[in-house]
Amino acid sequence: DAGVIQSPRHEVTEMGQEVTLRCKPISGHDYLFWYRQTMMRGLELLIYFNNNVPIDDSGMPEDRFSAKMPNASFSTLKIQPSEPRDSAVYFCASSEGGPGANVLTFGAGSRLTVL
Amino acid sequence: KNQVEQSPQSLIILEGKNCTLQCNYTVSPFSNLRWYKQDTGRGPVSLTIMTFSENTKSNGRYTATLDADTKQSSLHITASQLSDSASYICVVSANTGNQFYFGTGTSLTVIP
Repeated sequence: DAGVIQSPRHEVTEMGQEVTLRCKPISGHDYLFWYRQTMMRGLELLIYFNNNVPIDDSGMPEDRFSAKMPNASFSTLKIQPSEPRDSAVYFCASSEGGPGANVLTFGAGSRLTVL
Repeated sequence: KNQVEQSPQSLIILEGKNCTLQCNYTVSPFSNLRWYKQDTGRGPVSLTIMTFSENTKSNGRYTATLDADTKQSSLHITASQLSDSASYICVVSANTGNQFYFGTGTSLTVIP
């Protein structure tokens, strides 16, 4: 397995533009997580899915953020409109069986810069 | 409140020396604790995972300890190498809520 695959690796955009980040989890993993990492706050959970269903989106900063998982092999995180304070590295991670059982495998991250 | 605190925030050591990183948590009910290594520009990679009944677990030059009574864990790195330079993140999960709780990490720099 190629691991968790994220795209794009780097994104530079202007304030107000729409940003879409993509994630392909490890095949067979039934949990998918979106995290944001900044120097000030470390890793923060934004939202997670179980079997493609959103379970907890309490970490999503505001309505400008949305996430979908149309099938077991694909998820998107969308920011519309983007703002400079959204600049961060966004990680997607997947696991089998949830936090009590298995390792959380991270993708390489998508570094977003909003000018 | 479920929290994970790591210390020190940053550390610089000479190549070949040993070091110990600390993680204190208040997550309850405890399920397991993981140490991750995150190289610059990459996602975190798991080093060890420890459950309630495990006190020590090794992965090469990395040895993690867990004291579930005091809710403390440490990561000991032996004979450090330049490639150990990274951020080390402690992650604790609870038996309820399906959540992982992250520390803010310790940034380790190994210099020649």
